[in-house]
Amino acid sequence: DAGVTQSPTHLIKTRGQQVTLRCSPKSGHDTVSWYQQALGQGPQFIFQYYEEEERQRGNFPDRFSGHQFPNYSSELNVNALLLGDSALYLCASSSLGEQGESYNEQFFGPGTRLTVL
Amino acid sequence: AQTVTQSQPEMSVQEAETVTLSCTYDTSESDYYLFWYKQPPSRQMILVIRQEAYKQQNATENRFSVNFQKAAKSFSLKISDSQLGDAAMYFCAYRTLNAGGTSYGKLTFGQGTILTVHP
Repeated sequence: DAGVTQSPTHLIKTRGQQVTLRCSPKSGHDTVSWYQQALGQGPQFIFQYYEEEERQRGNFPDRFSGHQFPNYSSELNVNALLLGDSALYLCASSSLGEQGESYNEQFFGPGTRLTVL
Repeated sequence: AQTVTQSQPEMSVQEAETVTLSCTYDTSESDYYLFWYKQPPSRQMILVIRQEAYKQQNATENRFSVNFQKAAKSFSLKISDSQLGDAAMYFCAYRTLNAGGTSYGKLTFGQGTILTVHP
């Protein structure tokens, strides 16, 4: 089992550009969540996708958008990049499971380090 | 909105000793989940332990245990017999229990505590 994978590992962009980050969930998972982690801080929830729909969203501007594909993989898009968007972007996948357990653990990927110059 | 606070930016412990990391949270909900995550320098966030708020018994996972005080909204992590591999950033996190008794939504994290383990 490959676990949650993210690409690219590192990315450098300039202000005003657009960026797309990618995430493949753990095998058997159908839900993908995205988090932004600034240096030395805890992750902040951006949004969560389930059945190709945005199910929940955190306090992030519309410049942050996402997509989930039929194979459950997901993309995070950020438009009009600002210096403050420099951060580690984490993807986490989860699933309720066959028995619909009340708890579903979120498994995290290694993240994409985005630097905006 | 829920908030999670970790008041210890850094902690250190000698190998084989015990260390306790603190976490407090604020919520108006009665049912929820609490977690401790570990993030080593490799950046991969790993679940250490979880606690369901409706369970009075404190969760334990091998050398890791929690002290959950619901009324005080406190959730500390105790690491016994510390090992060099325990060195990492530790995050306390909160998650709502959704309608229908499931829990699938966002995690709210604290600011983290850097744990150093001295040989």
